[in-house]
Formats: sequence, C-alpha cells, structure tokens
Amino acid sequence: DAKTTQPNSMESNEEEPVHLPCNHSTISGTDYIHWYRQLPSQGPEYVIHGLTSNVNNRMASLAIAEDRKSSTLILHRATLRDAAVYYCIRFDTGTASKLTFGTGTRLQVTL
Amino acid sequence: EAQVTQNPRYLITVTGKKLTVTCSQNMNHEYMSWYRQDPGLGLRQIYYSMNVEVTDKGDVPEGYKVSRKEKRNFPLILESPSPNQTSLYFCASSPLGGGVYNEQFFGPGTRLTVL
Repeated sequence: DAKTTQPNSMESNEEEPVHLPCNHSTISGTDYIHWYRQLPSQGPEYVIHGLTSNVNNRMASLAIAEDRKSSTLILHRATLRDAAVYYCIRFDTGTASKLTFGTGTRLQVTL
Repeated sequence: EAQVTQNPRYLITVTGKKLTVTCSQNMNHEYMSWYRQDPGLGLRQIYYSMNVEVTDKGDVPEGYKVSRKEKRNFPLILESPSPNQTSLYFCASSPLGGGVYNEQFFGPGTRLTVL
C-alpha cells in the first residue's frame, strides 16, 4: 500500500513550469511528504520534503494543501534533464524507517 | 565525494548459489536500507538498519539476510537465490532519523539475474 496516488505520466515543454500532483487523502498529522525522482538508469534522488507549509529549495517547490490531503511538486522551468519518474511518498513517523514508494509519475519533457 | 557504493553492479548467477551484494557509504550515516525495484511494482524496502547491530525487516524480507557490523557497510546476503529474486537492487543511507527529516542517498544499483 503506497498510500499516495499519482498520475502515471505527464508531459511538459522545456522551459515551462510543471505541476506534479499527489493525493494522500489518508495522511495523518505527523506524516511527512517526500518527493524523490529517478532518472533513467540511476538510483532515486531526493528532491524535497515538507510537513505542513510550502517548501522551496534549489530544485523545486512543494505546495501542500491546507487539509494536507494532497500536494504538488512544482518544477519552475522544466529542462530535458528533468525527465524522470517522480515519486511522492508519505513518510509515517510512527513507522519512520519504512519508506514506501509507489509507481510514481513519469515526466516527459519535450523541446 | 559523498556517496553510496554498491558492488557488483551487475551479476548473473544460478539458483541456490549464495551471493553477497556489498553496500558502503562514506557519510557516517546511521541509517541504511536495501530496496528492490521491479517493473510495475516500484521500489520496495527489503531490510533497514537504524545503526550498528540494529536491523529490521522492510516490506519484502523473505529470502534475504543483512548484517550491520560497521557503520559504513550494510551487505545484502542471498543464501539460496531463486529466479524470483531477479531484480534491480538499491542501497540507501541517511543521517539519524531514517530519512523522515533528512534525505536518503541512494547507490547506483545492482542488477541481479538468477537463472
């Protein structure tokens, strides 16, 4: 049970912003939301994480809904190098050591 | 360079022949973990370790063993491999907290084929 729901695939044009949605309707108050991505033939790579408020880092922004039942990863200007599978993960602090990946969203970026 | 290394990167073996996949990290991380990745199933956690001499089962531990005698190393042992263990394996490490409050760093992967 991945506990999150994401679209299987999305497409974007290069230089355009990308909004990757994630539904986690059964989230509890102490669960963190993490995003990882996996480029072709590589291991997963951390992108960003948050609990309640929106978060920004050099790679992306994370917008968390007020009721925390959904979140959106925002890539402000997609590049070809951002083509990857993006995983939204609900990290339960109660079972903190178990990181459960779903099947993710495959992002295609075109010129 | 801070990294997680795995060896071997590719391995073809036969059913029943014991094998070990090594994992090492140079970041002094307390937490280490093993995952397997299969088409359509995403990544699934096999075992994890919160610190030296502390290991616990993930979601799919059957057929695997691990040990954590030193902080930097976390080998994955398949005592009697079977074809259903053919998969892509990733090792990961994280500072204290098991990745809840910190990012996990993943190795490059080991592609295992059991004939």
